Amino acid sequence: KAGVTQTPRYLIKTRGQQVTLSCSPISGHRSVSWYQQTPGQGLQFLFEYFSETQRNKGNFPGRFSGRQFSNSRSEMNVSTLELGDSALYLCASSQGDGGHGYTFGSGTRLTVV
Amino acid sequence: ELKVEQNPLFLSMQEGKNYTIYCNYSTTSDRLYWYRQDPGKSLESLFVLLSNGAVKQEGRLMASLDTKARLSTLHITAAVHDLSATYFCAVRGSGGADGLTFGKGTHLIIQP
Repeated sequence: KAGVTQTPRYLIKTRGQQVTLSCSPISGHRSVSWYQQTPGQGLQFLFEYFSETQRNKGNFPGRFSGRQFSNSRSEMNVSTLELGDSALYLCASSQGDGGHGYTFGSGTRLTVV
Repeated sequence: ELKVEQNPLFLSMQEGKNYTIYCNYSTTSDRLYWYRQDPGKSLESLFVLLSNGAVKQEGRLMASLDTKARLSTLHITAAVHDLSATYFCAVRGSGGADGLTFGKGTHLIIQP
């Protein structure tokens, strides 16, 4: 059974640019959530999608957005990148309500220079 | 606002010893999760605790949940070097709002 696939694994961008990260959940999982991990702030919730609808949203500025497609794959976009956006971005896949847990992908390490 | 506090944040221990990591949370929750993270890696799911009094064990690790005290523990028995990692607890708020709130993590080093 394939796990959660995140692409790309590493990314270097310049301040002011935008970036799109991709996440393919485990087959059959309809929920995808995104997290940002930094040494200073730890792991923080960005948003969650279920059946193409944003179900929950964390406390991040509007520069952070996402979407989910009909095949449950999800993308997150960050516009007008800032140095502070450098982080490991993790997506998590679950069947629905997390009762069987959340499986995390390997992450995308974004560096903004 | 849901807050999750782990302690200790750093733990150095010898192989063969027992120790407990504590996870306190501030508001009602119906789900608690434990994860392990190795340096430069993603999060590996260890336990999902769904109800008061839940206890789960896998190898040398045992996790429990007391929803009345808003406390979960991760107990390590007879530690071995391979258990060196950072351990996170995460709590899902009641009703599923706001995703998972993570503790700051416990950086565990087990020395031979």
